[in-house]
Amino acid sequence: NAGVTQTPKFQVLKTGQSMTLQCAQDMNHNSMYWYRQDPGMGLRLIYYSASEGTTDKGEVPNGYNVSRLNKREFSLRLESAAPSQTSVYFCASSDPWGITQYFGPGTRLLVL
Amino acid sequence: QQQVKQSPQSLIVQKGGISIINCAYENTAFDYFPWYQQFPGKGPALLIAIRPDVSEKKEGRFTISFNKSAKQFSLHIMDSQPGDSATYFCAANAGNNRKLIWGLGTSLAVNP
Repeated sequence: NAGVTQTPKFQVLKTGQSMTLQCAQDMNHNSMYWYRQDPGMGLRLIYYSASEGTTDKGEVPNGYNVSRLNKREFSLRLESAAPSQTSVYFCASSDPWGITQYFGPGTRLLVL
Repeated sequence: QQQVKQSPQSLIVQKGGISIINCAYENTAFDYFPWYQQFPGKGPALLIAIRPDVSEKKEGRFTISFNKSAKQFSLHIMDSQPGDSATYFCAANAGNNRKLIWGLGTSLAVNP
């Protein structure tokens, strides 16, 4: 039982490049989330998915797109990376009420 | 607008001391208040949580105190240990809303 897994662990991009962050969970959870974490800013919700086939914007969705591929997988795409997107990205999944969220190990992204 | 205000931003405590982190909220619809613990390089993980129908919950050395009238709740870490050094986040959830509202975090350092 791996919980929530994320790939890659670390990535360096040049401004304007694109990439997709992958997330998968094996806990049969319906809800999944993407957060970014920056110093002093806490955890900010980018997008979340309440169930397969649905996605909703969070607090900071600009510059990102998501895909809920199936119940297990929820990917985050940066179409044209900017230095302001340098951050640590966390994927999470939750129990049906969204109360207990289980986080992946994070992806550290550096945009030059 | 920060709906959950957390203080202090950072805290240094001597081994064996008591660590206290405070959070305040405005939305009276919040009905679940978890605390998450995050070690460097890891994702946050649920530490302890409380509902507003109780004033205190204790799990080992960790205690949540809840003051419904003041709309405040706090985390107390008794006999703080160097292994408790981490970032602590308070959060709040409202009913069937599957999203958590997060505080900005407190970086705790416990000196040996």
